[in-house]
Amino acid sequence: AQTVTQSQPEMSVQEAETVTLSCTYDTSESDYYLFWYKQPPSRQMILVIRQEAYKQQNATENRFSVNFQKAAKSFSLKISDSQLGDAAMYFCAYFSGGSNYKLTFGKGTLLTVNP
Amino acid sequence: DAGITQSPRHKVTETGTPVTLRCHQTENHRYMYWYRQDPGHGLRLIHYSYGVKDTDKGEVSDGYSVSRSKTEDFLLTLESATSSQTSVYFCAISTGQGSSEAFFGQGTRLTVV
Repeated sequence: AQTVTQSQPEMSVQEAETVTLSCTYDTSESDYYLFWYKQPPSRQMILVIRQEAYKQQNATENRFSVNFQKAAKSFSLKISDSQLGDAAMYFCAYFSGGSNYKLTFGKGTLLTVNP
Repeated sequence: DAGITQSPRHKVTETGTPVTLRCHQTENHRYMYWYRQDPGHGLRLIHYSYGVKDTDKGEVSDGYSVSRSKTEDFLLTLESATSSQTSVYFCAISTGQGSSEAFFGQGTRLTVV
C-alpha cells in the first residue's frame, strides 16, 4: 500500500523569503501522480501543483515549484517570495493511476508566514 | 467551482445512533472519496468508489459503510456513532484520469456526544 509522509508538522517563513516543504512516499508502482494541496482556515482544499511520475521535468506554477526525485521517492514543494496569503496547511497527495485509484494524503504541514 | 455538495454541513448526534452523510456531485466524475480530517492526522481515507455499486475500503474503514447507487451520490454511514468518530468529513470527486485534480466538498463537522 502506498504511504505519504510529511515530516514537518509546522514550518514558518518570513514574508518574501523562500520555504521548502518536504514530502516522501512509498510505492511499488510506476504509474502515479503527485499533488500538493493547500487548505486555508476556510477548510477549502485548493490544488497548488501536480506532477506526473513519468515526467522528469519538475512542475512549476508561478511562485510554486517542486523538486521531484523519483528514485528517492521525494516530492518537495518550494514556495518563492512567500506572501501572507500562503499561510495554510499544505498536504502532499499520491494518486495511484494504474491500479487501485486511491488518493492518499500525508498528515500535512502548517505553514506560517511572518510579516 | 466543481459541483460537489455535502449535507449536512454540521451535525451533533448521540453515541450509538446511526448517521448518514451525503455527497452529491453534478460533474459525472467516476471516482468519489470519503475522508476524515483530524488534527495531527491529516486526511485519512475511509472508503472510495470507482463506479456505481463499486466501492472499496480505505485505511480507516472500521465503523463506516458506504453506498453508491447512482453516479451522483455517495453516502457514508456511521452504523453506530462513537465519540472517536467526531471529526470533519470531506468528500472528494475525481475523473481518475492521470493528473486530473480532485475536487472537494465543503466538509461536514460531525460531533458525537
